[in-house]
Amino acid sequence: ETGVTQSPTHLIKTRGQQVTLRCSSQSGHNTVSWYQQALGQGPQFIFQYYREEENGRGNFPPRFSGLQFPNYSSELNVNALELDDSALYLCATRGVGSAEQYFGPGTRLTVT
Amino acid sequence: AQTVTQSQPEMSVQEAETVTLSCTYDTSESDYYLFWYKQPPSRQMILVIRQEAYKQQNATENRFSVNFQKAAKSFSLKISDSQLGDAAMYFCAYRSSPLSNFGNEKLTFGTGTRLTIIP
Repeated sequence: ETGVTQSPTHLIKTRGQQVTLRCSSQSGHNTVSWYQQALGQGPQFIFQYYREEENGRGNFPPRFSGLQFPNYSSELNVNALELDDSALYLCATRGVGSAEQYFGPGTRLTVT
Repeated sequence: AQTVTQSQPEMSVQEAETVTLSCTYDTSESDYYLFWYKQPPSRQMILVIRQEAYKQQNATENRFSVNFQKAAKSFSLKISDSQLGDAAMYFCAYRSSPLSNFGNEKLTFGTGTRLTIIP
């Protein structure tokens, strides 16, 4: 049990739609990262937030965006969904002074 | 850019035996972290063990230990007394070690090794 939760567990969307995924972490975990894990692959870094600002981004287009809130929760928004966006989306949080990141159980997104 | 390579897509081991999973990485940085994560079918990514590059001593956590060879850029995971609950995908991951505690959360993962435990 990592103390990191994600919702929803599963989601089915149609190509072109928009989706919002949510992550909630432990108190004091003020950094959050989001990852996309395609089937049979390792997770790929999307972006990271610290103190409610994006301060690092992987090789993902602008239609992937996020928010971080003062209550240690965060969102990943994906616009104009494409079939290739079908994946497991993981969030990971870290507290100041800790080297480890703790992952949530993920949201499985299917785009049809 | 850093890369992480896991050359063993699948491994199997007899219950109670020892197995070693391989990982190599490429970086020009001198200070960084290396991790092994376990991902069972439940999908939850669970931290198994962590190694700081500046530490020469290999990390150990109960039945899990690493062989960290900094010059060779190698970071293998040894699982002793394998148990059925060890069956999972294992990912090796790299993270830069910034001077401050903030920023640069990016983990670079390998493609994973699927470990099967034979009863």
